[in-house]
Amino acid sequence: DGGITQSPKYLFRKEGQNVTLSCEQNLNHDAMYWYRQDPGQGLRLIYYSQIVNDFQKGDIAEGYSVSREKKESFPLTVTSAQKNPTAFYLCASSRQIPNEKLFFGSGTQLSVL
Amino acid sequence: GESVGLHLPTLSVQEGDNSIINCAYSNSASDYFIWYKQESGKGPQFIIDIRSNMDKRQGQRVTVLLNKTVKHLSLQIAATQPGDSAVYFCAFKPPTGGYQKVTFGIGTKLQVIP
Repeated sequence: DGGITQSPKYLFRKEGQNVTLSCEQNLNHDAMYWYRQDPGQGLRLIYYSQIVNDFQKGDIAEGYSVSREKKESFPLTVTSAQKNPTAFYLCASSRQIPNEKLFFGSGTQLSVL
Repeated sequence: GESVGLHLPTLSVQEGDNSIINCAYSNSASDYFIWYKQESGKGPQFIIDIRSNMDKRQGQRVTVLLNKTVKHLSLQIAATQPGDSAVYFCAFKPPTGGYQKVTFGIGTKLQVIP
């Protein structure tokens, strides 16, 4: 089955700790995205990558970091600098063609202990 | 996840009735519009899309209507079923650029009453 796999489904972060959320896709998509979802708000873009070894900040990149060493993988690290990390994090991917569909993973719920 | 669905507009519909979910957009340059369905604890799923050169598009039990004059998008679900219960949100995109240019709506929670 082709798709996007996010892990873990639930993650807990302690004070001062960095945590990494995994995102893997086998759709052969060039572009990958990380969104944050909070109650009462639309999805907000954290980081995106249009090609391997390249990524760009989105609207709310502060306190987060990413890497794109392989086409199929786009991990997101939530650093200790992110003071309000509790949210539902969604990874997505698409082809680099106008109006191609955006496919989402099943999400990771991050909570602070 | 568990945070999805809180503080959202809610639409309650009797099973078998039709549902209409609305979305307003502000950027008149948007030319591609998408509806997503998100069940609790899951990622959004694509439902249907429409381009700005159309005003109506139909899928299986769903219809999307686009009114560019008033910048309004709606999703109609025919014969609503319990499995349709979810949060539905719209997204709109300008003609250039990838999904980094997309704006997502906050969503509407659809509750189907058996």
